[in-house]
Order: sequence, then structure tokens, then C-alpha cells
Amino acid sequence: DAGITQSPRHKVTETGTPVTLRCHQTENHRYMYWYRQDPGHGLRLIHYSYGVKDTDKGEVSDGYSVSRSKTEDFLLTLESATSSQTSVYFCAISADNEQFFGPGTRLTVL
Amino acid sequence: AQSVAQPEDQVNVAEGNPLTVKCTYSVSGNPYLFWYVQYPNRGLQFLLKYITGDNLVKGSYGFEAEFNKSQTSFHLKKPSALVSDSALYFCAVGVVWRRALTFGSGTRLQVQP
Repeated sequence: DAGITQSPRHKVTETGTPVTLRCHQTENHRYMYWYRQDPGHGLRLIHYSYGVKDTDKGEVSDGYSVSRSKTEDFLLTLESATSSQTSVYFCAISADNEQFFGPGTRLTVL
Repeated sequence: AQSVAQPEDQVNVAEGNPLTVKCTYSVSGNPYLFWYVQYPNRGLQFLLKYITGDNLVKGSYGFEAEFNKSQTSFHLKKPSALVSDSALYFCAVGVVWRRALTFGSGTRLQVQP
């Protein structure tokens, strides 16, 4: 699993509340990613990071922000959660020409 | 822009029969191609990749895939399916491997005993 953990693993929240998801890695990888998985869409990139304080947008970044103040942590924030952000969120890292994924966070926005 | 198409939402095959899960892609430049598998309530697990070299790539659990540049395809195959192969399979493409991958919508493989 390339030492990737995500927290929380499950969360239920209400529309309009802020939510932060955490991805933590233990192997000092430079590149980290946040994806969301929805039925019929596969995985879609939200944001990625290529180093501390270096981040960029993916294809579905609206409504999301990220921060990376330490190599090991990549945070995804929903500033004001909406029902359309109900999804499973996966963090990933790049290593050895592969991407390795965390276990996922299931987020439900009511 | 890069894209991936997995034309079949579901593939059904009997145990012991060969299986194929289809994938076509579109990129500008030389593609990096991947197959991942996802079991229920789990993350994605890497199966195999094509970066360069031999067009036939062998991966985990007896799976293989053939890179076909002229047809822009990267179909996943296995000579003899197992019930335990039943899962959701994703094809993905990248151009620069350190950047994010673009995933297909996924194909659910159902292997009947």
C-alpha cells in the first residue's frame, strides 16, 4: 500500500459545512494526488502536488482546495460541502512509474 | 487532452474461459498505459503497465495486455478466468508519468462458476 493512509475513512456531513480530508504517506514521495470516484466516471483528478507548497488543479477542482505544508501530508478541503461532492475520495502517490492508492474516504453530504 | 474509453460497462465470462477487457485511448505523444483492479470497498491495485518496449505486457495474477499503437488500444486479457477475478477494472493513460493519470469509466468483470 506504499504507506498511504487516509483519514477519516468515512464521514457524513451537512451541506454548507467545511470538510478536510487528510492523506498521509510515510515514504517521502514527491508527487501526491487527490481523485474522486463516482459511478460511470471512473476516477477523476481533483488536485495534485509536486512538492511542498507546490500544487496544481486537476479536471474537477471547482469547490476544492488543497494544501501541502509537509512532504508527508496532503490535505483536501471542501470549503462548503454540497451534495454533488458526495463521493469516494482516493489519495495516490507516484513511485517507480506507478501510482499507488490509499484505501479511500467515503464522504456523504446530506 | 488525453482520454480513455472502456466501451463495456460489464463483461461476463465463464470460469476457465479466456477473458478480454477492452480499452482504447487518445493522447498527444507517447502514452503510458496502466490497468488497475478494484475489489469491493477497496482501493485500486496495480495490475500492469506499458511504458516502452515489448508490446505484450505481463502483469499480476496471470493478466496480460497488448499495446497496439495503430489501433490506440490496450486490451486486458487472461487465458483462463477465475471466479476470484470478478472485480472492477480500470484502464488509465498518462503522457508524462509523474503527472496524473486519466482513467476510463471502468468495466465490471463477472466470472461465473
